[in-house]
Amino acid sequence: NAGVTQTPKFRILKIGQSMTLQCAQDMNHNYMYWYRQDPGMGLKLIYYSVGAGITDKGEVPNGYNVSRSTTEDFPLRLELAAPSQTSVYFCASSYLTSGAFDTQYFGPGTRLTVL
Amino acid sequence: DQQVKQNSPSLSVQEGRISILNCDYTNSMFDYFLWYKKYPAEGPTFLISISSIKDKNEDGRFTVFLNKSAKHLSLHIVPSQPGDSAVYFCAARITGGSEKLVFGKGTKLTVNP
Repeated sequence: NAGVTQTPKFRILKIGQSMTLQCAQDMNHNYMYWYRQDPGMGLKLIYYSVGAGITDKGEVPNGYNVSRSTTEDFPLRLELAAPSQTSVYFCASSYLTSGAFDTQYFGPGTRLTVL
Repeated sequence: DQQVKQNSPSLSVQEGRISILNCDYTNSMFDYFLWYKKYPAEGPTFLISISSIKDKNEDGRFTVFLNKSAKHLSLHIVPSQPGDSAVYFCAARITGGSEKLVFGKGTKLTVNP
């Protein structure tokens, strides 16, 4: 199993450009998440999905969009990049059934710089 | 407002000694607490968790203690090894099946040989 994979590893964007951060998992997990980590800060949840076709906002969703058309993939879209979106982005997944607990498994991250 | 606080940005210990990392929380609606370890240029990896109905959980060299009355948890690493040098994040899960985790800012642990 590759686990959670993210592409690209690094990206530099100009203000106003758009891009999609890719995330895929091969563990058949139903839940997937996007976090961002700013320097010296903890991870903050951007969006999450409980299954294909179902997404919901996290703590910091503004400026981002997501979709979940398959169990495996959960791309994050930045439409109009701003310097405030300079951060490291982590995708994660977990498998949950009713009342259970499972840890989240993280990808290696995408380091995004907006200039 | 920070619901999960790690007040020590860094900690340095000698190899073989105990490392104690602390975490405080403010929300009584957390039902699980977790510790994640993160090396540079990698994603966080799960280390250990504890349910809010327990006060201790142990896994090899790692033990997590939970004091609900003080809203405080700690991670003990005994003995500390140079490979333990990393950033440690405390996280808490909100009760109710949302599966949302709230993370602290992290503590950078350095274990000196």
